[in-house]
Amino acid sequence: EVQLVESGGNLVQPGGSLRLSCAASGFSFSSYAMNWVRQAPGEGLEWVSAISGRGGITYYADSVKGRFTISRDDSKNTLYLQMNSLKAEDTAVYYCGRALDGLATAATYSGQGTLVTVSS
Amino acid sequence: QAVVTQEPSLTVSPGGTVTLTCGSSTGAVSSGHYPYWFQQKPGQAPRTLIYDISNKHSWTPARFSGSLLGGKAALTLSGAQPEDEAEYYCLLSYSGTRVFGTGTKVTVL
Repeated sequence: EVQLVESGGNLVQPGGSLRLSCAASGFSFSSYAMNWVRQAPGEGLEWVSAISGRGGITYYADSVKGRFTISRDDSKNTLYLQMNSLKAEDTAVYYCGRALDGLATAATYSGQGTLVTVSS
Repeated sequence: QAVVTQEPSLTVSPGGTVTLTCGSSTGAVSSGHYPYWFQQKPGQAPRTLIYDISNKHSWTPARFSGSLLGGKAALTLSGAQPEDEAEYYCLLSYSGTRVFGTGTKVTVL
């Protein structure tokens, strides 16, 4: 069974940094592309970033490019999202997702999310 | 960044049929946009229903189907059930990066 468990969400001040993690199990992690989407309170879904299987290719939404970095540790079956220069508008629940294959940038499985709050 | 547009809300009677659409500001939606459809209920994570236009996940009920229709991606619900009341989001690919639609609130009434 595919399982994705996000962690690392917290309250952080504007301009601060945070690293989210997504622990994966139930599949061959290195073979699949992974991604992050987010949802601000009361708002719709926003696609954030994706990384190919084995990490050779990364993609970012314009809203986070240059501030967020997606990475993966295949030895630990874990996906990361390093978030720097955080803004109030980054406040959201962040969901990690597993793609259909090693290259797709959308999720066919999603975790339950972790809440990031950016506020002073 | 492209803007992906969906109907804000639709109402369907129990047992009825409704079609949700997903349009792109860049022009007609095609297979190259690899459309996905997600269902989200209040307080829950999004769940993938349809990927790559019309492929169903293992948990997708047979009453849901995906297609391309009139230059848009479409999700058709045939034989609506009360448990289908939810928010539905499409997701389109633009050379690898993705953009979600604005979402459609479906009410079964």
